[in-house]
Amino acid sequence: DAGVIQSPRHEVTEMGQEVTLRCKPISGHNSLFWYRQTMMRGLELLIYFNNNVPIDDSGMPEDRFSAKMPNASFSTLKIQPSEPRDSAVYFCASSPQTGGYEKLFFGSGTQLSVL
Amino acid sequence: DAKTTQPPSMDCAEGRAANLPCNHSTISGNEYVYWYRQIHSQGPQYIIHGLKNNETNEMASLIITEDRKSSTLILPHATLRDTAVYYCIVRILQGGKLIFGQGTELSVKP
Repeated sequence: DAGVIQSPRHEVTEMGQEVTLRCKPISGHNSLFWYRQTMMRGLELLIYFNNNVPIDDSGMPEDRFSAKMPNASFSTLKIQPSEPRDSAVYFCASSPQTGGYEKLFFGSGTQLSVL
Repeated sequence: DAKTTQPPSMDCAEGRAANLPCNHSTISGNEYVYWYRQIHSQGPQYIIHGLKNNETNEMASLIITEDRKSSTLILPHATLRDTAVYYCIVRILQGGKLIFGQGTELSVKP
């Protein structure tokens, strides 16, 4: 199994531009999570989906952030317009729903730099 | 979800056991203890979880006190590759969000 696949690995953009981060969860996993990591705030849960439906988006910082999961094998996190304070590593994780969410499998992350 | 308290950093000699403590004094009866670790520049990695019985797998052992207010993650023979930030998290089994704290930065030294 290839694991959770995120793209791009690195993204450098200018303030005001739209940024789209992509995630392919592990096949057969029912749940998908987006996290953001910075030195100041650590790992923050932004949003998570169960069976392609957003369950909790209370961690999404503001309206500039949106996430979609059009099918079981793909999710996007979009920032529009981007700002320098959005610079962070964004992780996607997926989990099998075997009576619970015992084990999350994380991707390698996308390093986002907004200039 | 209950909060956890971990020491910010620890050192361990290569080949020795690493014992990482975690306090979770407000844990509820239906909350599990999870451990993840994050090696530099990688995504977090699941290690182990438990409710009240001690657990062991190929990576580590988890010792939970009888009152469940604290636990210890044990890496029996630490290697340099175990250098990472270790996170202790408590959450309910179904539907609970996995909320990461600051963790313990473990440095394994030769």
